[in-house]
Amino acid sequence: GESVGLHLPTLSVQEGDNSIINCAYSNSASDYFIWYKQESGKGPQFIIDIRSNMDKRQGQRVTVLLNKTVKHLSLQIAATQPGDSAVYFCAENIKGAGSYQLTFGKGTKLSVIP
Amino acid sequence: DVKVTQSSRYLVKRTGEKVFLECVQDMDHENMFWYRQDPGLGLRLIYFSYDVKMKEKGDIPEGYSVSREKKERFSLILESASTNQTSMYLCASSPGGTMNTEAFFGQGTRLTVV
Repeated sequence: GESVGLHLPTLSVQEGDNSIINCAYSNSASDYFIWYKQESGKGPQFIIDIRSNMDKRQGQRVTVLLNKTVKHLSLQIAATQPGDSAVYFCAENIKGAGSYQLTFGKGTKLSVIP
Repeated sequence: DVKVTQSSRYLVKRTGEKVFLECVQDMDHENMFWYRQDPGLGLRLIYFSYDVKMKEKGDIPEGYSVSREKKERFSLILESASTNQTSMYLCASSPGGTMNTEAFFGQGTRLTVV
């Protein structure tokens, strides 16, 4: 079956630098993508989303880029802070029998070096 | 704010026990999901429900069942717990129908089967 995956399992970044987390997806029918952040001991939290009719979306210090040609998604975090240390998951929303369901990648652990 | 509440943060059960994991959401969402999360494997969908008394198998339903008698409550049942079901279990909910939006997660239940 088709799946969502990540290029890098771990990423270490100096505080203040920009972070880029990548994700490859293979389901060409997916039209909605989400990035989640999961801190230790907590459930995933929504960061930002993007629909397939867009190629870029910006939030507060975060930007998501979508390249449908190569089926690639990235999350950019500007001026990375210690509080950004977490595991980041990309997810795609796929239409199932009854409704939409999220399929997740394996996650990238971001460590911020003070 | 959307709130998804899982009844327990930590559980320790014995092999062969029947285990119930409970999840309640307060946003009148149609969809509810159960995932398990294991290191290096990301979040894998066990079961989901898009309406009361409706359920669909996810990617790894073996050894599990679910119950959705009321809209706000979705229970995951381990009929006979085994050590390979030791994991973090995450419940999520999202609006249903044609609404293609993010899912909201609970804080997770870490289950250890001994």
